[in-house]
Amino acid sequence: ELKVEQNPLFLSMQEGKNYTIYCNYSTTSDRLYWYRQDPGKSLESLFVLLSNGAVKQEGRLMASLDTKARLSTLHITAAVHDLSATYFCAVLNYEYYGGSQGNLIFGKGTKLSVKP
Amino acid sequence: DTEVTQTPKHLVMGMTNKKSLKCEQHMGHRAMYWYKQKAKKPPELMFVYSYEKLSINESVPSRFSPECPNSSLLNLHLHALQPEDSALYLCASSQGTALGNTEAFFGQGTRLTVV
Repeated sequence: ELKVEQNPLFLSMQEGKNYTIYCNYSTTSDRLYWYRQDPGKSLESLFVLLSNGAVKQEGRLMASLDTKARLSTLHITAAVHDLSATYFCAVLNYEYYGGSQGNLIFGKGTKLSVKP
Repeated sequence: DTEVTQTPKHLVMGMTNKKSLKCEQHMGHRAMYWYKQKAKKPPELMFVYSYEKLSINESVPSRFSPECPNSSLLNLHLHALQPEDSALYLCASSQGTALGNTEAFFGQGTRLTVV
């Protein structure tokens, strides 16, 4: 059974500081996704990481994937209040269904709060 | 257009009611999904439709009945729900399933309250 673990689950940051959210998963997968969710809202796609060593950056967020270590990171640079939200990583699991169908398995989410 | 549209945005229903949630996308995606998200929890998969056929049912109770009338539409029919079914119901779509870039785009969700 594929398990996805995020840490930390809660993160309180000061504006201007840097921090990293970690996402570990338990079986092989080369598809990893990061989503942002604001309270009461849907999921906004941030990054799609499709191969080992993939690195993508958008504004103050940078995501990377190490498929050998089964680890993805979401790095936040010089945090601002607008980044306050819950961030989910999700891993595509298709082996469970025999390789012909995929499903996204989500981590528990990291609730990020950026304070002045 | 990378939009998945869900209606209604909010729904309050009694335990004896029958209602339907609707989801629409015009991106040509061939896989569509229903997820359920309880407060402060991650989304959990309910159903997957691939090429308009039900391919995954994650042991969802029969009071939830999905339907895919065509490649752009996905419905979730609700009947005799329980208060614990109250949650945010998210629809998503993706171009493919197991292969290629299967980035899933999510709709805004329907906030369901069962009273």
